[in-house]
Order: sequence, then structure tokens, then C-alpha cells
Amino acid sequence: AQSVTQLDSHVSVSEGTPVLLRCNYSSSYSPSLFWYVQHPNKGLQLLLKYTSAATLVKGINGFEAEFKKSETSFHLTKPSAHMSDAAEYFCVVSGLSSSNTGKLIFGQGTTLQVKP
Amino acid sequence: NAGVTQTPKFRVLKTGQSMTLLCAQDMNHEYMYWYRQDPGMGLRLIHYSVGEGTTAKGEVPDGYNVSRLKKQNFLLGLESAAPSQTSVYFCASSPQGAVDEQFFGPGTRLTVL
Repeated sequence: AQSVTQLDSHVSVSEGTPVLLRCNYSSSYSPSLFWYVQHPNKGLQLLLKYTSAATLVKGINGFEAEFKKSETSFHLTKPSAHMSDAAEYFCVVSGLSSSNTGKLIFGQGTTLQVKP
Repeated sequence: NAGVTQTPKFRVLKTGQSMTLLCAQDMNHEYMYWYRQDPGMGLRLIHYSVGEGTTAKGEVPDGYNVSRLKKQNFLLGLESAAPSQTSVYFCASSPQGAVDEQFFGPGTRLTVL
């Protein structure tokens, strides 16, 4: 069975400092992994995805994530936070199975606060 | 392209009332999904569809029904609303399933009194 754990429910950084949002996953198969962002009162937007190609994945708005199979981690990073990065972030693993139903399994979310 | 749209954006129901949420996508996607989002729980899958005329249960299907009569539309029904169904509902679609990005609608905020 697949599962995903976001290790921090709330992260606070100052503008211009690095961002690290941590995610660990469990999967019986080679997983597809995603990070989605949700700004207040909005739908979810894809930041980046890993689908067994390069282990370092670059996404939109300067975010990137590294797939580490040995650590079963997929942490999201950004070198310098911007005020507009304040949002909720979801780490997601695909519920991959032989039927390829595309079911996603969401972490509980991490709220990123960016202080001026 | 409008992408994924949801109707209505907000709704207040009384316990026992029924309603239907409409999701429409104009990207010709095969897969469509309904999720609910509750504080501290991420998104949980209610029902999904892998193509026109097909539906399947997700993680939390009880109290909901769905239909996919047309490829572009995915309807979520509540036959007898309960306060536990107060939530934000998101519809999503994707081209092929597990390895593809899912495109989300803006959400419907439902309150059941």
C-alpha cells in the first residue's frame, strides 16, 4: 500500500531564506511523486513531479525536489523564499497499481508562512 | 480553455436535503476525480472515473454517488446531506492516470446545517 507523510504541519521562514518542506513516502511500486501548492481559497496547482527519470526535479517558481529512494524521501526546497510562496503544500504519491487508476494519495499538508 | 470548472462555488444545505455538484473539463481527459478536503487531512478521494460511463469508489465513498454520462462531465450527488459532509469539494481530471498531472477545479465549499 502507498502512503505519504509530511513531517511538518507548519513551516515559517523569513523572506529571502531557504525553504525546506519534508516528505517521506511508502510505496510497494516505483512511485510517481508530486508536489502541489494551494493558495488560500484556490484549487491545487502542480509544482513538480517525479516519474522515474532524473532524481532531481525542477518545478515552477524556483522550487525543486530530490527523490531519494534509500531514504524514501521527496523533500521540496527553494533557495530563497518570496512572500508569494506563502501557501499550503501537499506531497502526493500515485496509487500506482496494475490497474493504473491514477489514484493519488495526499499528505496532510504543510502550511508555509513567509515573514517579511 | 477554461480547464476544470465546478458549479456551484458555495452552497448551504439543511440536513437531509439533496444536491448535485457539477464538474466540467474541456481538455478531453479520460480520468476524472472527486475529492473532499478537510482541515489537517489533505485531500481524500471520494469517487473517480477512468472513462465515459465508468465510475469507481475511492477512499471515502459513503453518502455520495457519481455519474459520468458524458466524457467532459462528472457529477457528484449527495442524496441526504449530513453535517459530516461539510467540506470543500474538489474535482480533478487527468489524461491517463497515475503518472499524469491532475488538473484541479477551484472547489465548492459546502456547509450542511
